Amino acid sequence: DAGVTQSPTHLIKTRGQQVTLRCSPKSGHDTVSWYQQALGQGPQFIFQYYEEEERQRGNFPDRFSGHQFPNYSSELNVNALLLGDSALYLCASSLGGGRDQPQHFGDGTRLSIL
Amino acid sequence: QKEVEQDPGPLSVPEGAIVSLNCTYSNSAFQYFMWYRQYSRKGPELLMYTYSSGNKEDGRFTAQVDKSSKYISLFIRDSQPSDSATYLCAMSGRTPLVFGKGTRLSVIA
Repeated sequence: DAGVTQSPTHLIKTRGQQVTLRCSPKSGHDTVSWYQQALGQGPQFIFQYYEEEERQRGNFPDRFSGHQFPNYSSELNVNALLLGDSALYLCASSLGGGRDQPQHFGDGTRLSIL
Repeated sequence: QKEVEQDPGPLSVPEGAIVSLNCTYSNSAFQYFMWYRQYSRKGPELLMYTYSSGNKEDGRFTAQVDKSSKYISLFIRDSQPSDSATYLCAMSGRTPLVFGKGTRLSVIA
């Protein structure tokens, strides 16, 4: 039973560049959420995708955007990268789009901005 | 006041000890409460998932929720060196999942 997979595992970018991170949900799951985890902090909710639409969004600027594909996989795009965007980006999957379903996480993409 | 407060530790205990980890919260709309374990350079792993108040036990782990006090706990019995990790509490209700900062636990053999 495949868990949540994310790619790439590490990425180094410079300020002003753009980045795309990818996520495949756990087998049988149809909902994908993205989180940003700064060093020494808990994950912060970015947004959630269900039925190929952004259903909820946290307090992140429009530079952060996403997409969900018909096979339920998802991408997170970040434009005009800032030094403060350096963090671990986590993808979590769940079932049915509801807040009552437990979320299962991948191991994340570690993004470093120089 | 932050929505979810969690003492970051670090917490160091001898092998075999009972560990108590706690979170407090301010949003009375939270209904679903979770504990995640996160090893270094890994994603959070779901340990316990509870709805509303009460206790839930799974092996060496017991989760408690007291909604009247807005307080949740995770107990680890017979702690092992392999339990050394960061433990994150998380909760949701009308809001998406909100995490505490995590407590770093070290179990010393």
